[in-house]
Amino acid sequence: AQSVSQHNHHVILSEAASLELGCNYSYGGTVNLFWYVQYPGQHLQLLLKYFSGDPLVKGIKGFEAEFIKSKFSFNLRKPSVQWSDTAEYFCAVMGSGGGALNFGKGTSLLVTP
Amino acid sequence: DARVTQTPRHKVTEMGQEVTMRCQPILGHNTVFWYRQTMMQGLELLAYFRNRAPLDDSGMPKDRFSAEMPDATLATLKIQPSEPRDSAVYFCASGLPGLAGAYNEQFFGPGTRLTVL
Repeated sequence: AQSVSQHNHHVILSEAASLELGCNYSYGGTVNLFWYVQYPGQHLQLLLKYFSGDPLVKGIKGFEAEFIKSKFSFNLRKPSVQWSDTAEYFCAVMGSGGGALNFGKGTSLLVTP
Repeated sequence: DARVTQTPRHKVTEMGQEVTMRCQPILGHNTVFWYRQTMMQGLELLAYFRNRAPLDDSGMPKDRFSAEMPDATLATLKIQPSEPRDSAVYFCASGLPGLAGAYNEQFFGPGTRLTVL
């Protein structure tokens, strides 16, 4: 069955700490991978996406993610988090044929001053 | 700045009442998605349309939910009758097909927060 798994449900970090959020997927065939962010009370916004090419993708606000095909992973990273990064982060997968996004359960990140 | 709009933003209703949520996709986008977000289940697809035709509504409880696109600028999601377990945030998203039918990005609306008492 197709699935997306995010390992950490809740993460608390101090400002300037480094961040890595795990995402693994189970999907047949070629996939397109996404990270979305949802700030408190707001709608989902795209952080970054991977379709093909360089497996290290850079997104907005200093985020990056690495696609490791052999590990079926697409982990999100940021070298130094800020208080404004407090949000919910969702990993999502789309099959190569398009269609809807299959989301992970999300990781709630709290950055403390 | 093109955005997906949704109305109402908040809705409180009593069990058994009909609820209609509306979505205006970004002009020119031909694909519209409805997702539901709950604490327990996270984000789940309910249905999606391409060129106003339903492509997948397998995530939608058919007995009480219905989704339509009366025209290219309006998508509706209706619940009749509503139940407390329908309480959730309902997101609409729109997109354009890219290479091989994949969508480069789905743009999400602000959501409708539904509370059924």
